[in-house]
Amino acid sequence: AQSVAQPEDQVNVAEGNPLTVKCTYSVSGNPYLFWYVQYPNRGLQFLLKYITGDNLVKGSYGFEAEFNKSQTSFHLKKPSALVSDSALYFCAVRDVFNKFYFGSGTKLNVKP
Amino acid sequence: NAGVTQTPKFRVLKTGQSMTLLCAQDMNHEYMYWYRQDPGMGLRLIHYSVGEGTTAKGEVPDGYNVSRLKKQNFLLGLESAAPSQTSVYFCASRKGTDPEAFFGQGTRLTVV
Repeated sequence: AQSVAQPEDQVNVAEGNPLTVKCTYSVSGNPYLFWYVQYPNRGLQFLLKYITGDNLVKGSYGFEAEFNKSQTSFHLKKPSALVSDSALYFCAVRDVFNKFYFGSGTKLNVKP
Repeated sequence: NAGVTQTPKFRVLKTGQSMTLLCAQDMNHEYMYWYRQDPGMGLRLIHYSVGEGTTAKGEVPDGYNVSRLKKQNFLLGLESAAPSQTSVYFCASRKGTDPEAFFGQGTRLTVV
């Protein structure tokens, strides 16, 4: 069965420090992987995706993610966090039947 | 270009009442999805549609029905609301040739 795991409910980081939000997945076939961000009382906004090619993908707002096939991971990263990055982050995988599966979400808190 | 629009944004129902949530997209997307978001559980797929006139069950379809009579609209119905259906509901759409989905701003439903 397809599944996505985000092991951390919350990540705390100081502004200016690098951040990592972890994601591991289980899916049949080649994975389509995504990161979405949700601000309070808003819908999910697309950040970035991995389909094929380079393992390091770059997305919106300076975020990037590293695909690691052997570890079945797709961790979200940013070199220097901003207070405005504070939000709820979801990792997602799309299966061969075009269904999306989401992790439980990780709340990112960036403190000044 | 409005993107994905959900109606209504908020609703309170009494147990046993029925209602329909409307999702409309103006991007000519083939795929449409209904999710529910509950604390600590991420987004779970209720039903989805791969095109006009077609629907399929997701992870948690019980207690819900859907219809896709027009390509731009995807309706989610609750025939007899239960308190367990208190949640935030998100609609999403996707173009068949693109991997990522776009989300509406959500409908907060409370069943008392």
